[in-house]
Amino acid sequence: DVKVTQSSRYLVKRTGEKVFLECVQDMDHENMFWYRQDPGLGLRLIYFSYDVKMKEKGDIPEGYSVSREKKERFSLILESASTNQTSMYLCASRSGQRTGELFFGEGSRLTVL
Amino acid sequence: GQQVMQIPQYQHVQEGEDFTTYCNSSTTLSNIQWYKQRPGGHPVFLIQLVKSGEVKKQKRLTFQFGEAKKNSSLHITATQTTDVGTYFCAGNTGNQFYFGTGTSLTVIP
Repeated sequence: DVKVTQSSRYLVKRTGEKVFLECVQDMDHENMFWYRQDPGLGLRLIYFSYDVKMKEKGDIPEGYSVSREKKERFSLILESASTNQTSMYLCASRSGQRTGELFFGEGSRLTVL
Repeated sequence: GQQVMQIPQYQHVQEGEDFTTYCNSSTTLSNIQWYKQRPGGHPVFLIQLVKSGEVKKQKRLTFQFGEAKKNSSLHITATQTTDVGTYFCAGNTGNQFYFGTGTSLTVIP
């Protein structure tokens, strides 16, 4: 079975802390994505990567960065967390075909105090 | 910028009633996908529509893609409590997917 694993289901951090959200997929997918989900706003794309060492900005990249050193791992980094980054973060992966379905992880709920 | 609007935001139905959610894009889409997210869960792929005017069925679910490839709908016939969740459309412009805001469906037994 296809699996996308996010390292933490729940995190509580303080304003100004550096936060790492890890995502690993076991499907040998080329494409990986980070979304945030907020009530009434749906899923908004933060960053995506079509290959190792590649990254592209999505619709709301401000305050975030990413790292893709290995094909199976895509990390989202909040350099200095702020309260408006309290949200549900969803990682997804997809095969190299750019119209294929997305496979999502379970999500990481981040609260920034 | 690209927008995919989805209505309604919430829908409460009695079990056995029908349900429809609508998705509209400001630009022509190359294809559209639909996802379902159960409460506390993550989005799960349901279907993809590619052709203009395409209609696909999955048991009680009927998916349509508009002739102009700018809108889509998901219709559930005779809802059941297992249909509870949030339904998202995701429109593809050829480069990336833009998700709708989702419709949260509550089914009252």
